[in-house]
Amino acid sequence: KNEVEQSPQNLTAQEGEFITINCSYSVGISALHWLQQHPGGGIVSLFMLSSGKKKHGRLIATINIQEKHSSLHITASHPRDSAVYICAVFNFGNEKLTFGTGTRLTIIP
Amino acid sequence: ETGVTQTPRHLVMGMTNKKSLKCEQHLGHNAMYWYKQSAKKPLELMFVYSLEERVENNSVPSRFSPECPNSSHLFLHLHTLQPEDSALYLCASSQDLPGQWTNYGYTFGSGTRLTVV
Repeated sequence: KNEVEQSPQNLTAQEGEFITINCSYSVGISALHWLQQHPGGGIVSLFMLSSGKKKHGRLIATINIQEKHSSLHITASHPRDSAVYICAVFNFGNEKLTFGTGTRLTIIP
Repeated sequence: ETGVTQTPRHLVMGMTNKKSLKCEQHLGHNAMYWYKQSAKKPLELMFVYSLEERVENNSVPSRFSPECPNSSHLFLHLHTLQPEDSALYLCASSQDLPGQWTNYGYTFGSGTRLTVV
């Protein structure tokens, strides 16, 4: 079992829909990252958070430390949001960044 | 462009070839990383350099050889690879040193798509 689990693995939605991607982890962490990987391969860091909630434009990330769970929300989704979204946690115990396998999001016009 | 530049973007090599991947950052970051991303698998950490010194080697086969000549450049030298080494190789950098709780996150390059034939 991976230390970081994401769901769903694949998600297809219509343009304009509200999107939620989930991340659960099983280790103690210092911080959680949400990353976006476009088809070309490049990875962009969207958020880094250790508590509460962060918002950037149409993207919202939340984390519940007690439940070891984080969600990434996209409001008013757009085809350009189509990408793989990766959750990664900075493991407090071994001081390493551990990645989930990603959620492939496709937004249909 | 994210601030971390990787070249080449694509590479096809035979199993007997020797090639090198290059990563460059001018963000003033202290640590640089090589990751491997295979299909349907999480990113795997290969090597970590902190202040130009290798601090971690995650049991990577010796056919992969990293080099960090200075804080801005990182290379991954490849020789006698196997087809299963075909993957996306990503370079990343961070301002904080490995092991420190980071306030700054990581900056990734666009990756090199490697195909071994």
